[in-house]
Amino acid sequence: DIQMTQSPSFLSASVGDRVTINCKASQNINRYLNWYQQKLGEAPKLLIYNANSLQTGIPSRFSGSGSGTDFTLTISSLQPEDVATYFCLQHNSWPRTFGAGTKLELK
Amino acid sequence: EVKLEESGGGLVQPGMSVKLSCTTSGFTFSDYWMEWVRQAPGKGLEWVAEIRNKANNYATYYGKSVKGRFTISRDDSKSIVYLQMNSIRSEDTGIYYCTRTHSSYNVMDAWGQGASVTVSS
Repeated sequence: DIQMTQSPSFLSASVGDRVTINCKASQNINRYLNWYQQKLGEAPKLLIYNANSLQTGIPSRFSGSGSGTDFTLTISSLQPEDVATYFCLQHNSWPRTFGAGTKLELK
Repeated sequence: EVKLEESGGGLVQPGMSVKLSCTTSGFTFSDYWMEWVRQAPGKGLEWVAEIRNKANNYATYYGKSVKGRFTISRDDSKSIVYLQMNSIRSEDTGIYYCTRTHSSYNVMDAWGQGASVTVSS
């Protein structure tokens, strides 16, 4: 199975900060990496698919990059409503596997 | 509006069975593969099972920890996907999410709110 190592596990940042979250795959997954946001008590929401494609309706401050084994989710200017847990998912091969998640809070 | 709503969870005794349902609306169910993903308390997300659509012969896939015990199925006429969980164990405790993946793009793009399953005697 492909292991997804996500970092950091916890992140505290201020409104307006640039925030980056990383996922590293244990083997090449090409660009088959999605990023999700989960707010407390809500269903996870797709932000970025296939490494760098912004899902419809997601603010442009969210962006994704990377290919192969290293991927990054960037929030260009953190907003209060971005407080959530973020996780990655690889869908290059089965079983699909997830990163452990990054809990983002406001400083 | 796309909706996925899980039901059927609750408290289950070890060794017993439980069946989860995911009722969907707002999209063409037959275009999508449907999946179950779970999260144990304090743990990360674990993919559980997938069922593809008619165009992909309703093929099914399972995670190693549930293979042989869980069965995923779907009723396209009702736009519902099921997860039959047999020989349930304490490690099956968690939140079970229903998700959809578009069959052409292989992107998991919508999730339900989740159903809680607690395995305890």
